Amino acid sequence: EAQVTQNPRYLITVTGKKLTVTCSQNMNHEYMSWYRQDPGLGLRQIYYSMNVEVTDKGDVPEGYKVSRKEKRNFPLILESPSPNQTSLYFCASSRGGQLNNEQFFGPGTRLTVL
Amino acid sequence: SQQGEEDPQALSIQEGENATMNCSYKTSINNLQWYRQNSGRGLVHLILIRSNEREKHSGRLRVTLDTSKKSSSLLITASRAADTASYFCATEALQGGSEKLVFGKGTKLTVNP
Repeated sequence: EAQVTQNPRYLITVTGKKLTVTCSQNMNHEYMSWYRQDPGLGLRQIYYSMNVEVTDKGDVPEGYKVSRKEKRNFPLILESPSPNQTSLYFCASSRGGQLNNEQFFGPGTRLTVL
Repeated sequence: SQQGEEDPQALSIQEGENATMNCSYKTSINNLQWYRQNSGRGLVHLILIRSNEREKHSGRLRVTLDTSKKSSSLLITASRAADTASYFCATEALQGGSEKLVFGKGTKLTVNP
């Protein structure tokens, strides 16, 4: 089954404790991205990657890091999480660029930073 | 500023009725996409309509695009309780020197059985 998987689905952590949210897709998609969704603010892009070893900042990259060492994986790293990073996070992938292709979303990771 | 904005923010209807949601955008686009999100879950792609298309259908969904008014509408006919979800339009926007896909804040649709 074609899908985007994220782990963990739920995470409660404390300020400053480094964490990684994994994202994997099995569709051989070139494009992958991370979004965060907050009430009243909608969906905002954090980072995106056009292909292996190519990453770029989205709208709200501060406090996050990503890497794209393999085509299928695109982990999101929070080196020193803070309470304002409490949010619902989504990974997405698409064939080619995002602008004219359907994006496939993961199930989401609900992160709480205390 | 927001590229795509949905209207209304919330819509409550009875099962069997039609639901219409609108999306307005500011700058010229090549295409526009509609997505659905069930509460707390990932977005699911519904339809992509290109700028040279005026209308597109998929099952009970009908999407129109009026580039002169910079607006699109999503019509769900004969709604069902399972259609209860938030619906988002997504359009291109030039941000920070590159084109990106920008989502609106969504219309929350409730279909009452």
